[in-house]
Amino acid sequence: GQQVMQIPQYQHVQEGEDFTTYCNSSTTLSNIQWYKQRPGGHPVFLIQLVKSGEVKKQKRLTFQFGEAKKNSSLHITATQTTDVGTYFCAGQSSSGSARQLTFGSGTQLTVLP
Amino acid sequence: KAGVTQTPRYLIKTRGQQVTLSCSPISGHRSVSWYQQTPGQGLQFLFEYFSETQRNKGNFPGRFSGRQFSNSRSEMNVSTLELGDSALYLCASSLRAGNLNTGELFFGEGSRLTVL
Repeated sequence: GQQVMQIPQYQHVQEGEDFTTYCNSSTTLSNIQWYKQRPGGHPVFLIQLVKSGEVKKQKRLTFQFGEAKKNSSLHITATQTTDVGTYFCAGQSSSGSARQLTFGSGTQLTVLP
Repeated sequence: KAGVTQTPRYLIKTRGQQVTLSCSPISGHRSVSWYQQTPGQGLQFLFEYFSETQRNKGNFPGRFSGRQFSNSRSEMNVSTLELGDSALYLCASSLRAGNLNTGELFFGEGSRLTVL
């Protein structure tokens, strides 16, 4: 079945440093989504990427979808303490009769003040 | 607009018992998915329902089952509970219709199950 690998599992950064998390899928994706889960909270949708090579920005966050539609990354510039949480990617397979959304294992970000 | 509502929020069961969790999606959302979240395992997909039909099923044993009602509310049931079933069970709804991209998932706060 489809697998979505996400690295790193944990990341500690000093406030102001940059942060990147990467996702790789075993199969070609139809689209990829990113979610953020604050400690004690539930995942909240950040963005969806659909096109090959797509790049989207949300303030300090930059999302990329690979040319082959099998990998993606989330980059945060100049992290703030409000960025603390776990970031998940979720890929939807491009084949099959009912395409399932598969989540990566997440990257837990800690920002040290 | 009310969000996704899950009940109960917390529950404690013992091994061998069964549990039923409930999820009310956002009004107008007909697709409901269930995920199990445990530390280090991320979100594991359980199943997805659309218009009372199970569209997708994850790799969980038959002890895990679900259903969806005509008003899109969904329930999941776990029978013969095991210690390893202790987890946060998250429900998510979306506007997904047919065989289209899932679109944004709206998650509930989850039901935290502890099995003793």
